[in-house]
Amino acid sequence: SYELTQPPSVSVSPGQTATITCSGDKLGDKYTCWYQQKPGQSPVLVIYQNNKRPSGIPERFSGSNSGNTATLTISGTQALDEADYYCQTYDSRSVVFGGGTKLTVL
Amino acid sequence: QVQLQESGPGLVKPSETLSLTCTVSGASISSNYWSWIRQPPGKGLEWIGNIYYTGGTNYSPSLQSRVTMSIDTSKSQFSLKVTSVTAADTAVYYCARDEGLVAAGANWFDPWGQGTLVTVSS
Repeated sequence: SYELTQPPSVSVSPGQTATITCSGDKLGDKYTCWYQQKPGQSPVLVIYQNNKRPSGIPERFSGSNSGNTATLTISGTQALDEADYYCQTYDSRSVVFGGGTKLTVL
Repeated sequence: QVQLQESGPGLVKPSETLSLTCTVSGASISSNYWSWIRQPPGKGLEWIGNIYYTGGTNYSPSLQSRVTMSIDTSKSQFSLKVTSVTAADTAVYYCARDEGLVAAGANWFDPWGQGTLVTVSS
């Protein structure tokens, strides 16, 4: 079965750029999306189709996908961006989630 | 504004069947696929499967032997049943709307319900 790998944790200073990666075999040939989940809350879609932002998601969130790696980039990271982030793709009629990355803003 | 709300027992005994319902408001259930996703406490997300308004389903290979989904378009509800549950099935269960173009290999979930915790314990 297809697997997506994310780093367990990423740290960033306020105002800096956070980069969260998601790796999978030939992932660049697939579409990837990203979710933000804060403690006690449901996941929220922040990027879909590799690089599109849903309405209401700040411009500081961006995405890319090439080769074996999809990347979520948060520019000018704010304290309120501290959360778990999950990547997700679709393979062989099944949905696959990455294991999640805890973003710490300190 | 599309809203989804999960409902069902919060406690299920081992070996019994877990049953949940998701009620959709603000959108027609007769479009899109609709999914169930779960999250064990402190762990990541796991897709369980989805259902179309016609009743067509897709299930996760790891759960398909124990999972059944159904849909009632007259009530704007879809449901999940998981049989022979164990402690490993303890999780927050979310329902969500599938968006995207499955034929193109693109899908995403938006929005999600608030989730409901189901504990498997005697």
